[in-house]
Amino acid sequence: QLQLQESGPGLVKPSETLSLTCTVSGGSITSGGFHWDWIRQPPGKGLEWIGSISHSGISYYNPSLKSRVVILMETSKNQFSLKLTSVIAADTAVYYCARDWGKGFNWFDSWGQGALVTVSS
Amino acid sequence: EVVMTQSPVTLSVSPGDRATLSCRASQSVRSNLAWYQQKPGQAPRLLIYAASTRPTGIPPRFSGSGSGTEFTLTISSLQSEDFAVYYCQQYDDWPPYTFGQGTKLDIK
Repeated sequence: QLQLQESGPGLVKPSETLSLTCTVSGGSITSGGFHWDWIRQPPGKGLEWIGSISHSGISYYNPSLKSRVVILMETSKNQFSLKLTSVIAADTAVYYCARDWGKGFNWFDSWGQGALVTVSS
Repeated sequence: EVVMTQSPVTLSVSPGDRATLSCRASQSVRSNLAWYQQKPGQAPRLLIYAASTRPTGIPPRFSGSGSGTEFTLTISSLQSEDFAVYYCQQYDDWPPYTFGQGTKLDIK
């Protein structure tokens, strides 16, 4: 059974870089044609897709965040990561990692439990 | 960017009754639409993909319909565990994938 788990600091200072890692178990991130996504949810608000990386390492980003986001794979550890630079208070959110099936089947069928990241000095 | 608009924002329904939730896209997304359920403190759970297909393990009381710009999620005979927030998501025109703002289904 596929499992995803987010990890990283829960508190980041304004203007610094938010870094999160998603560890995947129960399946390889380099197989099956899947895409691996980051999605966030500010407290009490809706869902925002941040970006994704394909099984072959191609990254896709939300244009609204593209200048500040990098998503990478660490295949030896079966992990993928999110870096969001120059954070502000509005970046405070629960950050989820998730899987989509790629190739036009881009619904999110597996999710991590989420990691709350607060941006504050 | 495709804007997804859900209505109503809040829906109050009695247990055992039927709930109908709507989702409208700002342009056609064909049938490339998914629905999710989210309970407090939990990650969203996939309910429907391709507008009307239920993944394995989703009860048949959940059904989706629509195509193009108008979509509906129907929950027949509401159970206590169905009271949650529901989101639609389009995956036809991306990046970015976009979600509706959510409909909160609460107990009447």
